[in-house]
Amino acid sequence: NAGVTQTPKFQVLKTGQSMTLQCAQDMNHEYMSWYRQDPGMGLRLIHYSVGAGITDQGEVPNGYNVSRSTTEDFPLRLLSAAPSQTSVYFCASSYYMGPGELFFGEGSRLTVL
Amino acid sequence: DAKTTQPNSMESNEEEPVHLPCNHSTISGTDYIHWYRQLPSQGPEYVIHGLTSNVNNRMASLAIAEDRKSSTLILHRATLRDAAVYYCILRVVSISNFGNEKLTFGTGTRLTIIP
Repeated sequence: NAGVTQTPKFQVLKTGQSMTLQCAQDMNHEYMSWYRQDPGMGLRLIHYSVGAGITDQGEVPNGYNVSRSTTEDFPLRLLSAAPSQTSVYFCASSYYMGPGELFFGEGSRLTVL
Repeated sequence: DAKTTQPNSMESNEEEPVHLPCNHSTISGTDYIHWYRQLPSQGPEYVIHGLTSNVNNRMASLAIAEDRKSSTLILHRATLRDAAVYYCILRVVSISNFGNEKLTFGTGTRLTIIP
């Protein structure tokens, strides 16, 4: 049981490049979400999904796209990276019903030059 | 979305109990109170949750006010490994809330343990 797996752990991009942060969970969780965390700040919600084919925006969605074609995977796409997107990104998942404790990945550190 | 308010930082001596407060005056009847902690350079991890009654687990205890407008995370005997940022969030998970799952974290409480 791997839990929530994020790849890559580290990535350096140049401004304007695109990339996808991968998130996979093996707990059959309906709910998945992406957060970003900047130095000294808390977690800010980017996008979330309550099931395959259903996604919605969080607090800071601009510059990011998501899709949810399977229950297991919830990739986060940066279409044209900007220095302001330099951050640590965390993926989380949970069951949708009930108390729904969140399980987090280990994070992906992205630097945009 | 219901919000929570926590102190920015707290200090505690090692091996003493720690009480971390959280105010959530706009809590609704279906909101669970969740606590998470984030150790340095790690992702957040679940600590405990409750609805109305006080809760205990191997990591901590959660004391919930009778009116549910505040709660306190209790670490019974702080160790240096408990130094972390602690987040209190509210989560309502019900079919009536379908499509409104914006789980927002504040900045949490940074707990420093003094040896």
